[in-house]
Amino acid sequence: SQQGEEDPQALSIQEGENATMNCSYKTSINNLQWYRQNSGRGLVHLILIRSNEREKHSGRLRVTLDTSKKSSSLLITASRAADTASYFCAPLSGNMLTFGGGTRLMVKP
Amino acid sequence: AAGVIQSPRHLIKEKRETATLKCYPIPRHDTVYWYQQGPGQDPQFLISFYEKMQSDKGSIPDRFSAQQFSDYHSELNMSSLELGDSALYFCASSSRTSGAIYNEQFFGPGTRLTVL
Repeated sequence: SQQGEEDPQALSIQEGENATMNCSYKTSINNLQWYRQNSGRGLVHLILIRSNEREKHSGRLRVTLDTSKKSSSLLITASRAADTASYFCAPLSGNMLTFGGGTRLMVKP
Repeated sequence: AAGVIQSPRHLIKEKRETATLKCYPIPRHDTVYWYQQGPGQDPQFLISFYEKMQSDKGSIPDRFSAQQFSDYHSELNMSSLELGDSALYFCASSSRTSGAIYNEQFFGPGTRLTVL
C-alpha cells in the first residue's frame, strides 16, 4: 500500500508552542500533499512538496521530505487554538493520493 | 477564488435506494477525483476522470458508477444503497496541464450521505 502513516496519532499542546507531525510512506512518489480537516468537514489543502524538494515553507507551516527514508514532516510554528484539527499527509503516486490515519492536533488556549 | 462545488451537501436515503452526487471542479481543472470517508476513517480513493475519460480506479464498489461530462463536472451514481455506504463523499479537482503543479488536488466540502 502507498498509504501515508502518521505519527503521532494525537498531539495536545499549548497555544504558542510548535507542533510537529510525521508521515511515512512505502513506495516512490511524485509529490506529497498535506491536508487539514476539521471534524466532519472538508479537506483543506495546506502544502505540496515535490519529490525533488527537501523543504518548503508557507506562512507558519514548514514541510520537509526525505525520499531516502520515505518520510515527511509538517511543523506548525506558534500554534493557535484555531489550528486544532486533524492533519493528513497524502503521498501522490501516479495520479492517486493515499491518505494515512492522520494526526489529531489539539491546541489549548 | 473559485473552489470545488459539491451538491447536495447532505443526503438521506433508505436502503436499496439510489443516489447521485454532483461535483463541479475548479474552472480550467481537467481532472476530478472521488473519495469516500467513512466515520472515523481516512479518505479512500474511489475513481478519477481526466478529460472526460476514466483515469484511475480505486476501491469503488460495482454498485457505484461515475462519469465526467463535457463541461468537466462529474457525477457519482450509487445504486442499491447499503448502510455501510453512509459516509462523507469528497470530490477533488486538479490540472494536469503544463504550467500547473501536477496533480495538486483541491477538495470540495463533501456530501454527507446517510443511509437508513
